[in-house]
Amino acid sequence: GAGVSQSPRYKVAKRGQDVALRCDPISGHVSLFWYQQALGQGPEFLTYFQNEAQLDKSGLPSDRFFAERPEGSVSTLKIQRTQQEDSAVYLCASSPRGLAGAVEQFFGPGTRLTVL
Amino acid sequence: LAKTTQPISMDSYEGQEVNITCSHNNIATNDYITWYQQFPSQGPRFIIQGYKTKVTNEVASLFIPADRKSSTLSLPRVSLSDTAVYYCLFPSGYALNFGKGTSLLVTP
Repeated sequence: GAGVSQSPRYKVAKRGQDVALRCDPISGHVSLFWYQQALGQGPEFLTYFQNEAQLDKSGLPSDRFFAERPEGSVSTLKIQRTQQEDSAVYLCASSPRGLAGAVEQFFGPGTRLTVL
Repeated sequence: LAKTTQPISMDSYEGQEVNITCSHNNIATNDYITWYQQFPSQGPRFIIQGYKTKVTNEVASLFIPADRKSSTLSLPRVSLSDTAVYYCLFPSGYALNFGKGTSLLVTP
């Protein structure tokens, strides 16, 4: 079956622009995660959804970052007034159950954001 | 917040067994130890998970001593395609804490 997909795969933005990154999780997966991965670093947690509820947004670096999953399936990560330090790969992951940690997470290929 | 420590990089030749050890001194009682693999330009991929003793699947083995303060990922007979970054981690709340991982380079 289809895995997690993300679009666009690459995004170039001018500093100050708003961007929206899309994640299509595996169908039926309850949990959805967003991570940010800087060059040469491991992924860092941004936020977690269980169905449409955003249960943890502690990793969002500033109030310029906003995520939603209104119908409990597709999710969008929006970054307002992008800055150069926002340049990174943004990874989306989903898992079939509501309990994280002990459950395998399935990752998408990521969106590489470059802010000029 | 619990932390993991693993070597930054390792080199191996094709056909050898590779063991990557991870230290996690302050792991919580009910935490599972999980390993992920990441190729360039791809998202991480789950390899194996365990709680104690030994777990084996078609890809790797995971050894966890009784005190659970470390774990060792064992890759039998690596090939060039095993060149990747390997992350030892366990959950913190809802998140997975990846750290920097171990960059494994396999050469002919």
